[in-house]
Amino acid sequence: DVKVTQSSRYLVKRTGEKVFLECVQDMDHENMFWYRQDPGLGLRLIYFSYDVKMKEKGDIPEGYSVSREKKERFSLILESASTNQTSMYLCASSFSAGNNEKLFFGSGTQLSVL
Amino acid sequence: ELKVEQNPLFLSMQEGKNYTIYCNYSTTSDRLYWYRQDPGKSLESLFVLLSNGAVKQEGRLMASLDTKARLSTLHITAAVHDLSATYFCAVDLFYNTDKLIFGTGTRLQVFP
Repeated sequence: DVKVTQSSRYLVKRTGEKVFLECVQDMDHENMFWYRQDPGLGLRLIYFSYDVKMKEKGDIPEGYSVSREKKERFSLILESASTNQTSMYLCASSFSAGNNEKLFFGSGTQLSVL
Repeated sequence: ELKVEQNPLFLSMQEGKNYTIYCNYSTTSDRLYWYRQDPGKSLESLFVLLSNGAVKQEGRLMASLDTKARLSTLHITAAVHDLSATYFCAVDLFYNTDKLIFGTGTRLQVFP
């Protein structure tokens, strides 16, 4: 089975801290995605990547950056965490675009910024 | 801007009853996905619908896609408690990119 692993299930940070959320997939998927999930808003795409060192902005990239130095790992970075970034963060991956592949999701990281 | 709207947002239904969740989207797309999320858990893929008129069924759930109407439905037949979860539909923003735009979700609660 495909496994998408997010390093932390729960995370508590202070305003202004730099925060790293890590995601690793073990099926050699080309595509990786970061979403945030908020009640009443569903999932919103922050950033995605189709290949190593490639990244593209999603719908809400402000306040975030990403890094993909290796194919299996996609990191989400909050340069200076703010309280409005308190949310559930979900990482996902898929084999390659254009093959009608579903996304496989990690278990999520619940981030609280105090 | 692509918008994906689900209704209802909340659904409380009795075991054994039937109901339909609707997913409307605002721009052309012929790829639609349904996901399920249990409380505190991640999303699990249910269905991938790839063409107009596509219908897929698994157990008590059946999903369909009408690309002309920009509408997908998730029909629940004879609901059971185990179906209690939040259901999301998602649409491919650009053709063949896997970049999905999700609806707000429908929280389903099935009671005896």
